[in-house]
Amino acid sequence: AQTVTQSQPEMSVQEAETVTLSCTYDTSESDYYLFWYKQPPSRQMILVIRQEAYKQQNATENRFSVNFQKAAKSFSLKISDSQLGDAAMYFCAYRSAGGRSNYQLIWGAGTKLIIKP
Amino acid sequence: NAGVMQNPRHLVRRRGQEARLRCSPMKGHSHVYWYRQLPEEGLKFMVYLQKENIIDESGMPKERFSAEFPKEGPSILRIQQVVRGDSAAYFCASSPPLGQISGNTIYFGEGSWLTVV
Repeated sequence: AQTVTQSQPEMSVQEAETVTLSCTYDTSESDYYLFWYKQPPSRQMILVIRQEAYKQQNATENRFSVNFQKAAKSFSLKISDSQLGDAAMYFCAYRSAGGRSNYQLIWGAGTKLIIKP
Repeated sequence: NAGVMQNPRHLVRRRGQEARLRCSPMKGHSHVYWYRQLPEEGLKFMVYLQKENIIDESGMPKERFSAEFPKEGPSILRIQQVVRGDSAAYFCASSPPLGQISGNTIYFGEGSWLTVV
């Protein structure tokens, strides 16, 4: 079974600085998707960025980018120029691309990101 | 372009009462998923539905919980005879058919917070 691990329960960063949140996963599959979701104090679950495992190029969305290391099964999120509105819980999630359960998202436990003004 | 709509956002029930949570998927999405989030935890898969069909309910407790996605109207997650342990955030998500490229991403609603007193 696939697992997702976020080893940092909490991270803090100074406003305008850069922070990296780590995520590792375990799978025997070769084709899958990885996601970072953000859950602000409003508790809404918001998609931040998505990566297809077959793509070597790291995904980027404005100030958010990932470092996807397939061999190492690592999927870290880098937030540049941190803003107060980035304060939230960040969840890493995995989804198979095939197989019977390819609709299930497997979630990490989350990392709480604190932005210091 | 409305996203996934859930209601109510907050629901308080006394032990033994019934809770009904509603979810309208994004326009054009025919697949609905329900996840539960306990305090300080990531999301856990409960059930996957398509119109008039339950595809996978392996994550849903066998007793007291049921879900439906009728031909017309929203998906309903129903919890009968609620207990304190049912207090959680219940997230609904939707996607197009997963075989489509656009079905790679699952979009979440804002969640429904159930408190059992």
